[in-house]
Amino acid sequence: EAQVTQNPRYLITVTGKKLTVTCSQNMNHEYMSWYRQDPGLGLRQIYYSMNVEVTDKGDVPEGYKVSRKEKRNFPLILESPSPNQTSLYFCASSGDHYEQYFGPGTRLTVT
Amino acid sequence: AQSVSQHNHHVILSEAASLELGCNYSYGGTVNLFWYVQYPGQHLQLLLKYFSGDPLVKGIKGFEAEFIKSKFSFNLRKPSVQWSDTAEYFCAVKGGYNKLIFGAGTRLAVHP
Repeated sequence: EAQVTQNPRYLITVTGKKLTVTCSQNMNHEYMSWYRQDPGLGLRQIYYSMNVEVTDKGDVPEGYKVSRKEKRNFPLILESPSPNQTSLYFCASSGDHYEQYFGPGTRLTVT
Repeated sequence: AQSVSQHNHHVILSEAASLELGCNYSYGGTVNLFWYVQYPGQHLQLLLKYFSGDPLVKGIKGFEAEFIKSKFSFNLRKPSVQWSDTAEYFCAVKGGYNKLIFGAGTRLAVHP
């Protein structure tokens, strides 16, 4: 089954404790992206990757890092999480036709 | 900068009522437009998309949308909603390389 998976689905952490949210896709897509979803703001792109070792900032990259060492994986790293990063995070991938396939989401709470 | 505006943040309907959700985008060139749906506690799923051709696009679950270039609009419609259509709906336009720019979303509640 074609899918995008994310782990963990729920995470509660404290300010400053580094964390990683994993994302993996099995569709051999070149393009992957991270979004955060906040009430009243829709989804905003954090980072994207056009292929292995090629990443770039989206609209709200501050406080986040990403890496793309393999085509299927695109982890999101929060080196020092802060409460304003409490949000719902979605990973997405797409192939040639721009349609993005979304993962199930990770609900992060930073206290 | 490109942007997407969804006019209604919350819509409440009774079952069998007709639905129209507004979406306007700001971009004068060739557009690729999408409607996604997010059911409670789930991830976003594609309802329909417009790339070119017939401006009336039919999607899954009985939804359709009409692209009106002169109005920069891509409104979503369904003739008769069901309780199971309760969800949040997002309009999006393709921005840069494979980037989607989303509207703020419309929460639809359908009462039996």
